[in-house]
Amino acid sequence: DVVMTQSPLSLPVTLGQPASISCRSSQSLVYSDGNTYLNWFQQRPGQSPRRLIYKVSNRESGVPDRFSGSGSGTDFTLKISRVEAEDVGVYYCMEGTHWPPRYTFGQGTKLEIK
Amino acid sequence: QVQLVQSGGEVKKPGASVKVSCKASGYTFSHYGITWVRQAPGQGLEWMGWISAYNGNTNYARKIQDRATMTTDTSTSTGYMELRSLRYDDTAVYYCARDSPAGTSDLGYWGQGTLVTVSS
Repeated sequence: DVVMTQSPLSLPVTLGQPASISCRSSQSLVYSDGNTYLNWFQQRPGQSPRRLIYKVSNRESGVPDRFSGSGSGTDFTLKISRVEAEDVGVYYCMEGTHWPPRYTFGQGTKLEIK
Repeated sequence: QVQLVQSGGEVKKPGASVKVSCKASGYTFSHYGITWVRQAPGQGLEWMGWISAYNGNTNYARKIQDRATMTTDTSTSTGYMELRSLRYDDTAVYYCARDSPAGTSDLGYWGQGTLVTVSS
């Protein structure tokens, strides 16, 4: 099975400063159709997960443009250009690059305001 | 607008079964799939399985494949996740999410979650 490893697991950030989360997979996430199904989710306290980014770098509708995703193959990054108070929560990467479907989440990165 | 509304919380004894529902609206249910994810208290997200509402194809996480059954009812646009032989470590919030019919982790819409507590 694919293993998704996030770092850091805890991320204290000053308001207005940038933040970056790394996600590495144990194998390539390039699917047979040529797409890379790597997603990023945000889970605010007490809420359901919310998808921010799909297929590595595509921002979900309504997601602020301070969020961006990048990467390829096995190394991926979520960046927040300027952290705001509403960004507090846990961020998960998740791969969906297998058939039959068998998704794997990273451990989660807890973002807090310093 | 797309909505997924899940059934209410449940308290079950060890060894019992639970069936969580996920009623969809705002889209053509049979054109998509449903993925189920759970989250134990204070823990991360765990993928449980996927079902295509188009053709009923399923795939389950190895950890629960012998105890879980996912189904859909296209007449009511509802997905179901049944978990049998409940154990204490099945205590978790269970989420459904709309997925693509081909299972490509297209999880753009989520339910509100259902807390299942296993307690004697």
